[in-house]
Amino acid sequence: QLQLQESGPGLVKPSETLSLTCTVSGGSISSSSYYWGWIRQPPGKGLEWIGSIYYSGSTYYNPSLKSRVTISVDTSKNQFSLKLSSVTAADTAVYYCARHRGIAVAGTGYYYMDVWGKGTTVTVSS
Amino acid sequence: EIVMTQSPATLSVSPGERATLSCRASQSVSSNLAWYQQKPGQAPRLLIYGASTRATGIPARFSGSGSGTEFTLTISSLQSEDFAVYYCQQYNNWPPNTFGQGTKLEIK
Repeated sequence: QLQLQESGPGLVKPSETLSLTCTVSGGSISSSSYYWGWIRQPPGKGLEWIGSIYYSGSTYYNPSLKSRVTISVDTSKNQFSLKLSSVTAADTAVYYCARHRGIAVAGTGYYYMDVWGKGTTVTVSS
Repeated sequence: EIVMTQSPATLSVSPGERATLSCRASQSVSSNLAWYQQKPGQAPRLLIYGASTRATGIPARFSGSGSGTEFTLTISSLQSEDFAVYYCQQYNNWPPNTFGQGTKLEIK
């Protein structure tokens, strides 16, 4: 059974870089069928997609965060990671990692999130 | 960016009754629409993808319909465990994938 687990600091200071890792167990991150990505949820609010990565390293980012976000993959450890720079209080949220499943048609992919981690709370505060 | 709008924000329904949740896209997303259920303190759970296909293990009382810009999630006979927040998400035009703001389904 595929499981995803987020890990990383729960408290980050303003202007610093938030770093999280998602460890995938019960399956290979190198599968050609999936992307792997991050979604966040500020307290009491809705879901915001941050970005996703293919095992080859190909990435897609939310344009609203693109200048501050880096997602990377380590296939040897079956992990992928998120870095968000220059954080402010507005980046306080529960951060989820999720497998993106879908299909590619005529070179265009269509992916939804079918397996999620439990989430990790990150607070930005001095 | 495609904007997803869900209605109503809160829906009060009695157990055993039918619940109908709506989701509208600001432009056509074809059938590339998913629905998720989220309970307090938990991660979202995939219910429906492709606008109408139930995910693995999802009970038959959950059904999705629609295409283009108008979508509906119907829960035919509400069980106690169904009271939660429901989100729709389009994955037709991305990045970014975008979510609706959610509909809270509460016990009447």
